[in-house]
Amino acid sequence: DGGITQSPKYLFRKEGQNVTLSCEQNLNHDAMYWYRQDPGQGLRLIYYSQIVNDFQKGDIAEGYSVSREKKESFPLTVTSAQKNPTAFYLCASSLGGYEDTEAFFGQGTRLTVV
Amino acid sequence: AQSVTQPDIHITVSEGASLELRCNYSYGATPYLFWYVQSPGQGLQLLLKYFSGDTLVQGIKGFEAEFKRSQSSFNLRKPSVHWSDAAEYFCAVGVHKAAGNKLTFGGGTRVLVKP
Repeated sequence: DGGITQSPKYLFRKEGQNVTLSCEQNLNHDAMYWYRQDPGQGLRLIYYSQIVNDFQKGDIAEGYSVSREKKESFPLTVTSAQKNPTAFYLCASSLGGYEDTEAFFGQGTRLTVV
Repeated sequence: AQSVTQPDIHITVSEGASLELRCNYSYGATPYLFWYVQSPGQGLQLLLKYFSGDTLVQGIKGFEAEFKRSQSSFNLRKPSVHWSDAAEYFCAVGVHKAAGNKLTFGGGTRVLVKP
């Protein structure tokens, strides 16, 4: 089945450690996105990528980094510089192109700093 | 910059009653508009979308939404709610920029269904 796979579902991190969240899609989509979700704040865009080897900062990129070495993969690293990393992280993808913004979402990763 | 407002944080509705969720957006050009639904601990599922044409849009699970340009609104409706409709609903506006396309979301409305 085509879709977006995020792993792990739950992740615990000690303060001061970097951690990487995985996102893989087999939809042959060009564009991929990372969102952060906090209660009552909706989804906020962290980074997005329209094509391999290219990505742009979203609204809350500080403390995060990404790479896009393959079309199907868009991992997100939460660095120690992120002051409040505990949140629900959602990865999404879309076909890309000027008129397409319909996004398909993974099941999310819940990150907790302990 | 674009923004989306969902004025109602929580809505409680009885099973079988009608439901309307409000969404207002701010964007300088013609928007692409979406409604997504999220069950607890899950990802988001697309309910419906508006790109152009007929301003009344039909979606999955019996939902519909109406785009009103004069009011900058895109409200979601369902005539008769089922217990399985209890979830969080997000309105979003799609933005096209030279650097790529992206969605801006509202804060969400949590729907509770009473038996």
